[in-house]
Amino acid sequence: KQEVTQIPAALSVPEGENLVLNCSFTDSAIYNLQWFRQDPGKGLTSLLLIQSSQREQTSGRLNASLDKSSGRSTLYIAASQPGDSATYLCAVMGGGADGLTFGKGTHLIIQP
Amino acid sequence: DGGITQSPKYLFRKEGQNVTLSCEQNLNHDAMYWYRQDPGQGLRLIYYSQIVNDFQKGDIAEGYSVSREKKESFPLTVTSAQKNPTAFYLCASSIGAGGADTQYFGPGTRLTVL
Repeated sequence: KQEVTQIPAALSVPEGENLVLNCSFTDSAIYNLQWFRQDPGKGLTSLLLIQSSQREQTSGRLNASLDKSSGRSTLYIAASQPGDSATYLCAVMGGGADGLTFGKGTHLIIQP
Repeated sequence: DGGITQSPKYLFRKEGQNVTLSCEQNLNHDAMYWYRQDPGQGLRLIYYSQIVNDFQKGDIAEGYSVSREKKESFPLTVTSAQKNPTAFYLCASSIGAGGADTQYFGPGTRLTVL
């Protein structure tokens, strides 16, 4: 059964810093890996999707990488801002395309 | 505006009652999903549907039921058989179930059992 782990569980950094969030998964037979953002009490906002054949995706200040063979992904946030404060969730879709398996998230606080 | 709507935003249920959570999308997506979120846990898949009139159980389907009679609608019923239904419920949809298909989420319904 696929398991997804996110490290760290929580992170607090001053505004302007570059930071890295980590995600690992146990079964490398995946269709894709997705990163989401969740604000308190809200639904999820899709940030980036990396297909299994891809190595990375970029959107603005965000860059996500995927190393499928080692079961790892990182989300890099450049020049962090207070508005980036949220919970970031990593999720993988297995080879059966039967829905996403989520990690528990990284709760990020950017201090002004 | 295109998107996914869920209603109600908050729902209170007495023990022994069945309740139905609504999920509607106007994105013309084929695939729809229901997830449950509990504090300190990741989202867990309840049911999913890749096409109208077809749906499959996810990891935690016991005590839940769904229907997919229309492409745009995927309601979830929480039955009295669900022992611990208090949670945040999220509906999602995607164009299909392929590797390039991003899942888009609704705003969620928070269910509380009194």
